[in-house]
Amino acid sequence: DVKVTQSSRYLVKRTGEKVFLECVQDMDHENMFWYRQDPGLGLRLIYFSYDVKMKEKGDIPEGYSVSREKKERFSLILESASTNQTSMYLCASSLGAGTNEQYFGPGTRLTVT
Amino acid sequence: AQSVAQPEDQVNVAEGNPLTVKCTYSVSGNPYLFWYVQYPNRGLQFLLKYITGDNLVKGSYGFEAEFNKSQTSFHLKKPSALVSDSALYFCAVGRKFYFGSGTKLNVKP
Repeated sequence: DVKVTQSSRYLVKRTGEKVFLECVQDMDHENMFWYRQDPGLGLRLIYFSYDVKMKEKGDIPEGYSVSREKKERFSLILESASTNQTSMYLCASSLGAGTNEQYFGPGTRLTVT
Repeated sequence: AQSVAQPEDQVNVAEGNPLTVKCTYSVSGNPYLFWYVQYPNRGLQFLLKYITGDNLVKGSYGFEAEFNKSQTSFHLKKPSALVSDSALYFCAVGRKFYFGSGTKLNVKP
């Protein structure tokens, strides 16, 4: 079974802190994604990566950056956390083309105070 | 631009009755369409997908979906609902996986 793990289930940070969210997948997938999930808004794509060191902006990249130094690991970075970044963050991975389904991690609920 | 809409925030159905969760899409070119389910405090799980071929797609847990090109719809269906089907359902489209806003399915005993 594909496994996607996220470094924390719950995280509480203060405004202005730099926050790192880590995601690891164990199935050699080319694509990795970061979403945020908010009630009534569904999942919104922040960034995705289709290869090591490659990335593309999603719908809401402002205030976020990403890093993919190894194929299995995709990190989301909040450069200076703000209260409007309080949300559920979901990581996913998939094989190459857009015809393949995504596999999701359990999510990280981030609260910024 | 690609987009997907789920017009119902919530669907209520009695156990044993058929259920439908609606999804409409807007894409250029051939649509790649997916359904996912999210149980409480869990990540999303893949249910089924339409890429090409037969318009009726069968997936996990007895779910199926019908692709209708003329109506640009991809509704999720199940002939007989279970209480355990209660969850949040998401439709997704395209190569970048644009997601709908989600539909909460409540199945009552």
